[in-house]
Parts: sequence; structure tokens; C-alpha cells
Amino acid sequence: LAKTTQPISMDSYEGQEVNITCSHNNIATNDYITWYQQFPSQGPRFIIQGYKTKVTNEVASLFIPADRKSSTLSLPRVSLSDTAVYYCLVGVSYNNNDMRFGAGTRLTVKP
Amino acid sequence: NAGVMQNPRHLVRRRGQEARLRCSPMKGHSHVYWYRQLPEEGLKFMVYLQKENIIDESGMPKERFSAEFPKEGPSILRIQQVVRGDSAAYFCASSRDTSEAFFGQGTRLTVV
Repeated sequence: LAKTTQPISMDSYEGQEVNITCSHNNIATNDYITWYQQFPSQGPRFIIQGYKTKVTNEVASLFIPADRKSSTLSLPRVSLSDTAVYYCLVGVSYNNNDMRFGAGTRLTVKP
Repeated sequence: NAGVMQNPRHLVRRRGQEARLRCSPMKGHSHVYWYRQLPEEGLKFMVYLQKENIIDESGMPKERFSAEFPKEGPSILRIQQVVRGDSAAYFCASSRDTSEAFFGQGTRLTVV
């Protein structure tokens, strides 16, 4: 049973806000939600991590509803360089490191 | 503080040879993860190690694959008697604890 479900692909245009939603219906009480970005031929790069409500950093925002069964990564004003695969992970907690990646969402930003 | 270092970046092996992939975690990181990625596919978890211990190897093939993370030195992913299907990019990541993990640039293994 997949731990996370994301759209396979998304298209956007430069300057738009992009929201990628991840479903994780079986999230455990101790699980954090973590997002990574991967460019072709490179290793993934950490974007953001959260447990509940909203987290914001210089790159993105992460919105987590009260039931925590989904989360939304929000990328403000995307540029062509944001074209990448975005992975949602669930399972990292204070006493566990489940670092299994799902299929990810391939975001293509067009001019 | 150097990032996660993987070497070699590219490795070519003939069928039946052994492949040894090295991963030096970031300084202070005791958690290491190995992944395999085929072109246009996602990252497939292989193994999770902490210093000298294998914590989770549920993603490792039962035969020919092994991993270690000794007290001193890099983590090693070893593939014996390689076959064409082993050709892939192998990524290593390290973390200090349960916060963000840092990935290396990967080793691209080609079996000819």
C-alpha cells in the first residue's frame, strides 16, 4: 500500500504559483511530512518539512490540514529553473527514518 | 563542511564483475541511505544504515547486493556478479538525525 499519492505531472507558466498536493491517508501520529526536489542527473534536495498547520521558508510553503491526511507544497512565482520532480515523503519521525520515496510529481514550467 | 561525496561518479563494469560504490556522509552524520534510480523513474529505497549497523535493508535484492557503514571510512554498496539490469544511478544520502537528508551526486553504473 503506497504511503503517498501525488499527481504524476503538472504544467505551469513562469510567474505562477504552483500547488502540489500529496495524499497520505495512513499517516502515523509521529510522522513528519517532507518534500524534496530533484533535477535531472542530480540527487534530490530537501525543500521543506512540517508536522501540522503551515510551514514557510525562503523557497516554499507547506500547508497541512488538521487531519494531516494530505499536504500541499506551494511554490510562489515559479521560474523555468523550478522544472523538476517533487517528492513527498511521510514517515520520518523523532524515532524513525523511513526515507521511502514515492513516484513524485514532474513539474514543467513553461515560458 | 563538504557535502555527501560519492565515488566514482561513473563506473563501467562487464557482466560478472563486482561493483563497489562509495559514499562519504557529511561530517557528523551517522545515518546513511542508499537508493537506485532508473532513467525516468523514481528513487527506489535500498538500505538504511547507522554506524556499523544495518537498520532497514528491506529494499535490497536478496542476492548479490550488500552494504556496510564501518566505524571508520565511507559506506560501501557492493554489487557482486553484475548483470545488465543493475545499470542505474545509485544515490546515497546522509542525515544527522530525523531532519533533512543530504544527497550525493550519485554513481552511474553501466554494465556492458
